[in-house]
Amino acid sequence: KAGVTQTPRYLIKTRGQQVTLSCSPISGHRSVSWYQQTPGQGLQFLFEYFSETQRNKGNFPGRFSGRQFSNSRSEMNVSTLELGDSALYLCASSTGLGGNTIYFGEGSWLTVV
Amino acid sequence: GDSVTQMEGPVTLSEEAFLTINCTYTATGYPSLFWYVQYPGEGLQLLLKATKADDKGSNKGFEATYRKETTSFHLEKGSVQVSDSAVYFCALAIQGAQKLVFGQGTRLTINP
Repeated sequence: KAGVTQTPRYLIKTRGQQVTLSCSPISGHRSVSWYQQTPGQGLQFLFEYFSETQRNKGNFPGRFSGRQFSNSRSEMNVSTLELGDSALYLCASSTGLGGNTIYFGEGSWLTVV
Repeated sequence: GDSVTQMEGPVTLSEEAFLTINCTYTATGYPSLFWYVQYPGEGLQLLLKATKADDKGSNKGFEATYRKETTSFHLEKGSVQVSDSAVYFCALAIQGAQKLVFGQGTRLTINP
């Protein structure tokens, strides 16, 4: 059974640009969530989607957005990139039911220059 | 709000030593508790979990017991190996929510 797949793995962007990251969840999983990992702030929750609807949202500015498609695949977008957006962005999937396990992908490393 | 506090790192041990990484939590509801491990350059892997008080999660020689009275979920291993070198994260999820709250992580280095 394939795990959570994220693309691209590595990317470099310039300040002011925007970026889109993609995530394919484990087959059968309907919940996809996104996290940002930085050395200073650690792991922070961005948002969670379930059946194409945003169900939970963290404390990030509106420049961070996401969506989920009918096949449960998800994308997140960051507009007007800032240097501080440089981070590892992790996608996670689960069945979406309480008490179940949340599985993570390898992450997308974003560097903003 | 909900939070997780982990033992500060880094932690350096010799091979075959006993490991304890402390984790305490604050939560308004009845959380599930997790330990995740991150190897260099990789994402997070679930190490073990416990969903209710007094549950013991175990995997690959690691164990942690959900202690509601002390709001703790300490990670232990009786004999560590060099291959256990990684960053360990304690996390909680409030029942029914698919949102993890993480501790700051503890970097573990095992020397041969």
